Amino acid sequence: SQQGEEDPQALSIQEGENATMNCSYKTSINNLQWYRQNSGRGLVHLILIRSNEREKHSGRLRVTLDTSKKSSSLLITASRAADTASYFCATGGTGGGNKLTFGTGTQLKVEL
Amino acid sequence: GAGVSQSPSNKVTEKGKDVELRCDPISGHTALYWYRQSLGQGLEFLIYFQGNSAPDKSGLPSDRFSAERTGGSVSTLTIQRTQQEDSAVYLCASSWMGTQNEQYFGPGTRLTVT
Repeated sequence: SQQGEEDPQALSIQEGENATMNCSYKTSINNLQWYRQNSGRGLVHLILIRSNEREKHSGRLRVTLDTSKKSSSLLITASRAADTASYFCATGGTGGGNKLTFGTGTQLKVEL
Repeated sequence: GAGVSQSPSNKVTEKGKDVELRCDPISGHTALYWYRQSLGQGLEFLIYFQGNSAPDKSGLPSDRFSAERTGGSVSTLTIQRTQQEDSAVYLCASSWMGTQNEQYFGPGTRLTVT
């Protein structure tokens, strides 16, 4: 079952613009992770934010986490055509282990 | 060294047949996960292995699904008496021990049940 929703479901922007994706979840978490998927196959880890963190940066990526609202956002700045992919948030629960519960994903298209 | 590898990359099988999917995790990673991605259900957790502990099988959709991990390394996911709803991409991931580590995913096995 899905942990929550991501919005928008699809996003189309021009190269150089910023892209923002949002993720909501339902239960308590240890951490929240963002992944990218190209062509419906392997997932690439982008960034992990722990439940006691509020913001994290990695290159052109900025992630925020609001545990009171059970939501996170991923900002990609100065987007490139190569950023075209599906982006998923995934939450690691508090029940032991780190099995991930994924959101529904956002399809990002960056046009030249 | 190498990342997570999975085989086969594609598998087409007839309804009712058994299939085995293989995952080779990153060397040294003690945790191994199986997920499934299908159009109707999105990305779903199936099973999790951590060291010598009993696996967490809470995500397996039916008793036709089973998995084992031999020697703390390679894992095999077996689906018996396949059904058309089993068609999906099966993804394996591995990570270091602990609950705050990112998972590294393999390229997946696309299973089609005809």
